[in-house]
Amino acid sequence: AAGVIQSPRHLIKEKRETATLKCYPIPRHDTVYWYQQGPGQDPQFLISFYEKMQSDKGSIPDRFSAQQFSDYHSELNMSSLELGDSALYFCASSLAGRLKYYGYTFGSGTRLTVV
Amino acid sequence: DAKTTQPNSMESNEEEPVHLPCNHSTISGTDYIHWYRQLPSQGPEYVIHGLTSNVNNRMASLAIAEDRKSSTLILHRATLRDAAVYYCILRSLKTSYDKVIFGPGTSLSVIP
Repeated sequence: AAGVIQSPRHLIKEKRETATLKCYPIPRHDTVYWYQQGPGQDPQFLISFYEKMQSDKGSIPDRFSAQQFSDYHSELNMSSLELGDSALYFCASSLAGRLKYYGYTFGSGTRLTVV
Repeated sequence: DAKTTQPNSMESNEEEPVHLPCNHSTISGTDYIHWYRQLPSQGPEYVIHGLTSNVNNRMASLAIAEDRKSSTLILHRATLRDAAVYYCILRSLKTSYDKVIFGPGTSLSVIP
């Protein structure tokens, strides 16, 4: 079965550079979520999109932005990178059912290292 | 948001059943109980969810207390592959695309 695809798997950037992470949800899933996970921490919610519109926002720095495109894939853009941005970034997709929950499916993540 | 409380860590012997508890004393009537797990170096994985009745699927069973203030995730036969952090999460049925918030979960170790 198709899974959530994230690219790249690994990314090394220097401080103050920019990075773009991509997420391709499971076909027909209409919701995408982005999470950041630092070393030894739990995943922290960043932002989500439902039907290509931003649906919720968490602790996402102003230096980060994201969008969901017409084909439902999503991109997380990160500018002025800082050492503290080094983390695993996960994307998840789901189907927003009416009066019913579906579980999230997570991708394998992008490991960002800022040097 | 209603909160959950889980033990920081638990141990289990391989091939033994595992009961992972979760307390959610402030749960509201519209809160669903969800469980996710995260294996080392992998993304979280949906396990199971329920509202009032016990639930079973191929991965696990979810036992929900009658007053819904606690629940237990049951792995019927632990394998080494079940070593992971298990998260118990409440989600309100306001909108089904509400975010999942991960809090401190239970780190399960499985002993061969």
